[in-house]
Amino acid sequence: SQELEQSPQSLIVQEGKNLTINCTSSKTLYGLYWYKQKYGEGLIFLMMLQKGGEEKSHEKITAKLDEKKQQSSLHITASQPSHAGIYLCGADEGGKLIFGQGTELSVKP
Amino acid sequence: GAVVSQHPSWVICKSGTSVKIECRSLDFQATTMFWYRQFPKQSLMLMATSNEGSKATYEQGVEKDKFLINHASLTLSTLTVTSAHPEDSSFYICSARDSAGAHEQYFGPGTRLTVT
Repeated sequence: SQELEQSPQSLIVQEGKNLTINCTSSKTLYGLYWYKQKYGEGLIFLMMLQKGGEEKSHEKITAKLDEKKQQSSLHITASQPSHAGIYLCGADEGGKLIFGQGTELSVKP
Repeated sequence: GAVVSQHPSWVICKSGTSVKIECRSLDFQATTMFWYRQFPKQSLMLMATSNEGSKATYEQGVEKDKFLINHASLTLSTLTVTSAHPEDSSFYICSARDSAGAHEQYFGPGTRLTVT
């Protein structure tokens, strides 16, 4: 079965700094999802990528999928305390979503 | 946007009792729903795929007799934790796929189960 590896596992950044979270798959990705979660709450959908080389942006968050469709990155520009939370990448495996272990982001004001 | 609700949002039960958690798609129909559990500081682990009108498909290692899933309508799936034990304490999250839409899954807010 597919495995997703996220790095780093946790990240502390100063407000205003940029950061990148990576997600690497053991298999070719046919749908890669990024979600944000506050601990103890549900998941907030951020973006979905399907095509090799695809890039999407929403506000200060940009997600990319590499040409080989095995790696994705999530980049946050000028981070703010509101960006703090757990970021999860998920892969579509035969219609069900399998998640990476998550990256916990803290933003210091 | 599409909304998925879960009820209850939190529940405390005694060891040996059963607990039912509901997952509803409020403004769309979902032939497929998914149940996940999440332990503190860990990611979501898929437990089972719930299919309307048919038996659920369980992931490897998930006891189907312990975690009963019923998907009786296009907007409701239930997860019953039978004979709950303290190790079943966890955060349970459901998601639903819009039958008429693309591939997005919409997640519920989760249910915190504590077994004492």
